[in-house]
Amino acid sequence: DAGITQSPRHKVTETGTPVTLRCHQTENHRYMYWYRQDPGHGLRLIHYSYGVKDTDKGEVSDGYSVSRSKTEDFLLTLESATSSQTSVYFCATGGLAGGLAYNEQFFGPGTRLTVL
Amino acid sequence: DAKTTQPNSMESNEEEPVHLPCNHSTISGTDYIHWYRQLPSQGPEYVIHGLTSNVNNRMASLAIAEDRKSSTLILHRATLRDAAVYYCILRDWEAAGNKLTFGGGTRVLVKP
Repeated sequence: DAGITQSPRHKVTETGTPVTLRCHQTENHRYMYWYRQDPGHGLRLIHYSYGVKDTDKGEVSDGYSVSRSKTEDFLLTLESATSSQTSVYFCATGGLAGGLAYNEQFFGPGTRLTVL
Repeated sequence: DAKTTQPNSMESNEEEPVHLPCNHSTISGTDYIHWYRQLPSQGPEYVIHGLTSNVNNRMASLAIAEDRKSSTLILHRATLRDAAVYYCILRDWEAAGNKLTFGGGTRVLVKP
């Protein structure tokens, strides 16, 4: 399995507080992604990164920001959490080289965030 | 992104084959067909992908229609561990970001 960890794994917070989720990889993959998954739905892309300090928006980016200061870490920040951001957040990585790594995304175990 | 259509759910008996259909009538020439699955309480995992030809790997087989407007994921002998949500996804290899767009998927129930 690809070495992808997410922290924290569970978090409960209150509306209006800032929250930062961390994704850490040991695979030296170029691409990193943040998705959210809500009950009964597939995953939706929030933001992604195609290199250190290079990021772009996904389909549900409002209310979220990201940063990637080194290859291994991709941070997702909710500047002021709202109840609508209660969700399970998944990080994923993918390589750029040819072969399977280019096509495949590897997913972390997820972070369950509850905003009260 | 081109969309896919999958049945909401399917049932299978253990040790029998499972055929999961996916329709993608608006597929473009630069779209790869990817399959991922998500086991309960886990992140998705890659299953298989293809472009035009049928593909086999240790997990499954992918049969792609000649006109590429549909495909079928085949699990040759379902086990209880194969109970998951299976996502059929089109990925445009020319698009920036190597992004995946997930739909609702097919929930597979495997009965012992």
